[in-house]
Amino acid sequence: GAVVSQHPSWVICKSGTSVKIECRSLDFQATTMFWYRQFPKKSLMLMATSNEGSKATYEQGVEKDKFLINHASLTLSTLTVTSAHPEDSSFYICSAQKLADRDQPQHFGDGTRLSIL
Amino acid sequence: AQTVTQSQPEMSVQEAETVTLSCTYDTSENNYYLFWYKQPPSRQMILVIRQEAYKQQNATENRFSVNFQKAAKSFSLKISDSQLGDTAMYFCAFMKPSANKLVFGAGTILRVKS
Repeated sequence: GAVVSQHPSWVICKSGTSVKIECRSLDFQATTMFWYRQFPKKSLMLMATSNEGSKATYEQGVEKDKFLINHASLTLSTLTVTSAHPEDSSFYICSAQKLADRDQPQHFGDGTRLSIL
Repeated sequence: AQTVTQSQPEMSVQEAETVTLSCTYDTSENNYYLFWYKQPPSRQMILVIRQEAYKQQNATENRFSVNFQKAAKSFSLKISDSQLGDTAMYFCAFMKPSANKLVFGAGTILRVKS
């Protein structure tokens, strides 16, 4: 168990458009989901922590209005990159933590490659 | 704040040989969790092994084992009988209990050669 699905896996879009990425926990309920950004051959950088039914907590330096996060249910969190520009091109990964399982490992999605032209 | 250091950006090992990836961390906490994650070219993050700081016994998962030295704040990963499928980027990560957040090291690219 503990499967996290991320969609889409790859998206290419024009500069100025908004892009929504979905993160779903398929076989468990996730109180908390995390959104990371990763540049090629670099480490994962935590962008925000998303808790079901409440506002996301953003890491320092991450623009809240640029990266909108919604965690409307215990199985779905979305990241919307608003008015995307080429510098937003990156690999975005989500992870989820099981309900009442806070000391257990996070389960990661397969990531989304975002390319802004 | 916690920091995790992986001092080896890249490593190579011959198939069937053993390789050790190093990881050190800095924390004032006494209880915490340490992880090794593997990220193959497919870029999916895969949990390799997990260690709880209050357990003295080193964690082992098949060909993967750790050398956890709490006093030295060191958490190295040993891969025995390396296989081509072990080629990946490996991340060491730290987590405080009930804090949720993972703190990742910079990663080590491991290449297994035939």
